Amino acid sequence: QKEVEQNSGPLSVPEGAIASLNCTYSDRGSQSFFWYRQYSGKSPELIMSIYSNGDKEDGRFTAQLNKASQYVSLLIRDSQPSDSATYLCAVNWLNTGNQFYFGTGTSLTVIP
Amino acid sequence: NAGVMQNPRHLVRRRGQEARLRCSPMKGHSHVYWYRQLPEEGLKFMVYLQKENIIDESGMPKERFSAEFPKEGPSILRIQQVVRGDSAAYFCASSPPDDYNEQFFGPGTRLTVL
Repeated sequence: QKEVEQNSGPLSVPEGAIASLNCTYSDRGSQSFFWYRQYSGKSPELIMSIYSNGDKEDGRFTAQLNKASQYVSLLIRDSQPSDSATYLCAVNWLNTGNQFYFGTGTSLTVIP
Repeated sequence: NAGVMQNPRHLVRRRGQEARLRCSPMKGHSHVYWYRQLPEEGLKFMVYLQKENIIDESGMPKERFSAEFPKEGPSILRIQQVVRGDSAAYFCASSPPDDYNEQFFGPGTRLTVL
């Protein structure tokens, strides 16, 4: 059974702080990992993808992958109120084709 | 460069009616995926299609749900004899033929069954 787990939150951070979002997954052999941002009532928007162990940085966002511990995280530096949204972790497993498995999301609120 | 398009954006149906949801992928994308998001739940994969082919329908309910992606026109997700439990947001995503990891989502269709 392939599962993706996220703390539903809500997570609140002050403006300018670092927001840390975590995601764990159930099955080794996973291939690709993704972070999506979803504003209330809107569609998911791809923020980051990461495929190998280590860190990947893109602007204020850093994705961290640790396959041995089966977790992937997203750090948001210098958080802004516009970052307030639900963040979805998605995993694509090698032997499941093109299907993405999503966590239930973590709600983030950045307080001005 | 237009993104993934879905229509209608909102759809209201009474129990027992049929719902048809349409999705046009991004230009150059030939792979389409349908996901369902129930209230307070995560996105769940339903079906993956290429033109004229259903590649993976492992997430589709066995009854009342069907999907197609014809040679011409949008992909259609069809729900027959809708029930209240079908009320959800239905999202379509598309990817280019050479990189299925790049799935971009449309705005979704919010189905309400009365």
